[in-house]
Amino acid sequence: EAGVAQSPRYKIIEKRQSVAFWCNPISGHATLYWYQQILGQGPKLLIQFQNNGVVDDSQLPKDRFSAERLKGVDSTLKIQPAKLEDSAVYLCASSLYGEQYFGPGTRLTVT
Amino acid sequence: SQQGEEDPQALSIQEGENATMNCSYKTSINNLQWYRQNSGRGLVHLILIRSNEREKHSGRLRVTLDTSKKSSSLLITASRAADTASYFCATDGSGGSNYKLTFGKGTLLTVNP
Repeated sequence: EAGVAQSPRYKIIEKRQSVAFWCNPISGHATLYWYQQILGQGPKLLIQFQNNGVVDDSQLPKDRFSAERLKGVDSTLKIQPAKLEDSAVYLCASSLYGEQYFGPGTRLTVT
Repeated sequence: SQQGEEDPQALSIQEGENATMNCSYKTSINNLQWYRQNSGRGLVHLILIRSNEREKHSGRLRVTLDTSKKSSSLLITASRAADTASYFCATDGSGGSNYKLTFGKGTLLTVNP
């Protein structure tokens, strides 16, 4: 089966610019996650969707980050405006029953 | 905040040796999972152990869980150069069907040929 797809793979922007990431989960997976992984650390959950509803966004910096999953399938994560500390790999994952399947991630560099 | 803490932070061994990584966590869990991440790539699920299990095997992997000590260990036997990666433990303490994972900082394993 096809895995979790993410694009772009790499993005370089200047601070205060905006950026958007896209994720297409494994077909049939109702749960979708966005994680932020800063260099040298483990992934940190930003937001969790169940179908098109938000289950947990307690660690999402809502003043600058937003995410949507309008049709309950693919999802976008947006940062506006970006800060230097947003430089990280943004991982998308999907799951059906507990085990999460991760995409390759988008490496964001904010200069 | 990160729930799990892996130990050691880095481990370097020779091919054929065994590698043991430890994970400690703070709050009660439903299950604990181990993931592998190769350089510049996404995470790959290795094994899940439930809170009522003490040991689980999968190929060359052996995971133990001690809920009284809030700790887990991952043993990779007969290591190979291809095992070089970062290994993360992740705890699921959410209950219900939310399956929310909290990851540790990881152990960087280097297997020298």
